[in-house]
Amino acid sequence: EAEVAQSPRYKITEKSQAVAFWCDPISGHATLYWYRQILGQGPELLVQFQDESVVDDSQLPKDRFSAERLKGVDSTLKIQPAELGDSAMYLCASSSDFPPYYGYTFGSGTRLTVV
Amino acid sequence: KQEVTQIPAALSVPEGENLVLNCSFTDSAIYNLQWFRQDPGKGLTSLLLIQSSQREQTSGRLNASLDKSSGRSTLYIAASQPGDSATYLCAVLGGSNYKLTFGKGTLLTVNP
Repeated sequence: EAEVAQSPRYKITEKSQAVAFWCDPISGHATLYWYRQILGQGPELLVQFQDESVVDDSQLPKDRFSAERLKGVDSTLKIQPAELGDSAMYLCASSSDFPPYYGYTFGSGTRLTVV
Repeated sequence: KQEVTQIPAALSVPEGENLVLNCSFTDSAIYNLQWFRQDPGKGLTSLLLIQSSQREQTSGRLNASLDKSSGRSTLYIAASQPGDSATYLCAVLGGSNYKLTFGKGTLLTVNP
């Protein structure tokens, strides 16, 4: 079964350091999403790509977060500098269509701990 | 702004029980609703997807219903097993920007 690949699975970093997460969506999925999930909460959208273009980054803290999907395939989410409040699960998802009438497929996530 | 509420926040049942998880949403103008399962420290696994024109979907021991007009969905789990222990999240797709809005989830524990 096709999967959304994410790495690393876990990341511990000191505050003020830079950290990056990688996502490879299901082959052929043009729409890619990055979500952040704080413990005990539901995921919240950070950024949405359609191919290589950003469709929605209204909830992305742009002073410290950046995201790119240069060739419209895999994507990188970066935080610089990391803050204690960034500790969370970062989830990548993709969908085969837009609007995503056939639903989303999520990856296993990256658990970030900022110390 | 769409708000999704899941009740109860946590549920503990003995093995073998049938159980119902509830999800409600404030804006009934949705395109679809998706139920996910999340194991501790892991990503989301899609369980069932219900389109706005559908009333229910079934997969094995799971059955999800949708009443769009009243803003409600239920996830029914039959003959629960310890392996069903996880957090169950409800998410609705709606709005002019096709945004997916999640509830906070229901933490289910099935005791042997």
